[in-house]
Amino acid sequence: GENVEQHPSTLSVQEGDSAVIKCTYSDSASNYFPWYKQELGKRPQLIIDIRSNVGEKKDQRIAVTLNKTAKHFSLHITETQPEDSAVYFCAARPVNTNAGKSTFGDGTTLTVKP
Amino acid sequence: DTGVSQDPRHKITKRGQNVTFRCDPISEHNRLYWYRQTLGQGPEFLTYFQNEAQLEKSRLLSDRFSAERPKGSFSTLEIQRTEQGDSAMYLCASSLAESGNTIYFGEGSWLTVV
Repeated sequence: GENVEQHPSTLSVQEGDSAVIKCTYSDSASNYFPWYKQELGKRPQLIIDIRSNVGEKKDQRIAVTLNKTAKHFSLHITETQPEDSAVYFCAARPVNTNAGKSTFGDGTTLTVKP
Repeated sequence: DTGVSQDPRHKITKRGQNVTFRCDPISEHNRLYWYRQTLGQGPEFLTYFQNEAQLEKSRLLSDRFSAERPKGSFSTLEIQRTEQGDSAMYLCASSLAESGNTIYFGEGSWLTVV
């Protein structure tokens, strides 16, 4: 089955700096890669996703890049703000698999210091 | 809030007792998923329903666990003869089968087995 590894497990940045979180996956058949943000005590929420036919996707201050050859994808947050502080999870979903059966990474706790 | 709702949010139980969690999905969503999440890990898929049919169960779902979705709307997850290793957050999510990929999580039910 799919295996997703996420690094780093914790990340602390100063407000205004950029943050990068990286994930690798094992199943070359995976074709959908969502990122979720989970604030303390709250539900995971989808913040951005990318499909395997695209190399990069951007939405305001967040972007995701995908390297299918190397089987890794990354989340980039620019101009970080204290409200970006949360746990971020990456996930990978093999083709023809139910969306809810994505394999998740173990999460990155991002702290943005004012 | 018309999102996915879960009840109770927190449950403390003694080892050996049975517990039941309820999930109310977004009303028009025909797919419903259950996950388990422990500290420092991402959500792990347990099972999912399409309408009232339970279509798949993970190997993580031991025979002490049972899930139902009798009318294709709300779902229950029961854990019998709880063990300390069952302590975790149990997340529910829902989606439209036709929407492709976006799943919407509830805020989870925390279980502590003492």
